Amino acid sequence: GESVGLHLPTLSVQEGDNSIINCAYSNSASDYFIWYKQESGKGPQFIIDIRSNMDKRQGQRVTVLLNKTVKHLSLQIAATQPGDSAVYFCAEDTSGNTPLVFGKGTRLSVIA
Amino acid sequence: GAGVSQSPSNKVTEKGKDVELRCDPISGHTALYWYRQSLGQGLEFLIYFQGNSAPDKSGLPSDRFSAERTGGSVSTLTIQRTQQEDSAVYLCASSLAAGGRYFGPGTRLTVT
Repeated sequence: GESVGLHLPTLSVQEGDNSIINCAYSNSASDYFIWYKQESGKGPQFIIDIRSNMDKRQGQRVTVLLNKTVKHLSLQIAATQPGDSAVYFCAEDTSGNTPLVFGKGTRLSVIA
Repeated sequence: GAGVSQSPSNKVTEKGKDVELRCDPISGHTALYWYRQSLGQGLEFLIYFQGNSAPDKSGLPSDRFSAERTGGSVSTLTIQRTQQEDSAVYLCASSLAAGGRYFGPGTRLTVT
C-alpha cells in the first residue's frame, strides 16, 4: 500500500529506549500545538496537545515540551515499542479553529 | 463508532471525470476540515467549515475543487474534471470549538 513520507527524516530507536522527535515551528503567534501519529494507510491520530501558556505536558508514555523562545517543540516517547513505529507530525495553530499548519513529519522506526 | 468516517475509502477514476468524497464528522463537532496528503508529503489544508460561518476556502488549489457542509454535519468535497495531479489521500477532520482535530481514515483517490 501507499507509504506516508517516503523521503522524511528517519529516527531509528531500539525497542525499550526513549525517543525524542523534534519540530521547529514557524509562527511566533501560534498558541496551540498538537502532535499526531500516522501509520501507513491510516489518518493522523491525535497524540497530545499543548497550549502556549505551558512548557511541558505529559500523557501516557509521551511528553511534549514547548520552547517558545526558539520556537521548538519536541515529543518524547518513553520505553518505545514496535507499535510506536509511524510518521509523527507536529502541527501549530493560532487562536482557535484556524487551519492547522503541519510540519513535514519524522518517521520513527523501532528496532526490535 | 464515534470517530470521523469517510467514504469511499478508495476511489479510482478516469482523468476528466468528477468525484465526490464524503465526510461524517464526530457528532457535536462544530468545525470540519479537509486536507490533502500526496505521496511522501505532509498535510495540505484545503477548506475549513466552522458552524454557520462562511467557509475558509483559502487552501483550495483550483476552482475545480469545491466543498459543502449540509446541516452543520456531513461534508462533501467535489473535484471536477479530475487530473492526475489530484491523486492523493483526502483527509477530513473535525473538532469542537477549541481543541484537537480528529482525523478520519481518508479517501485514497487515484486518477488514471
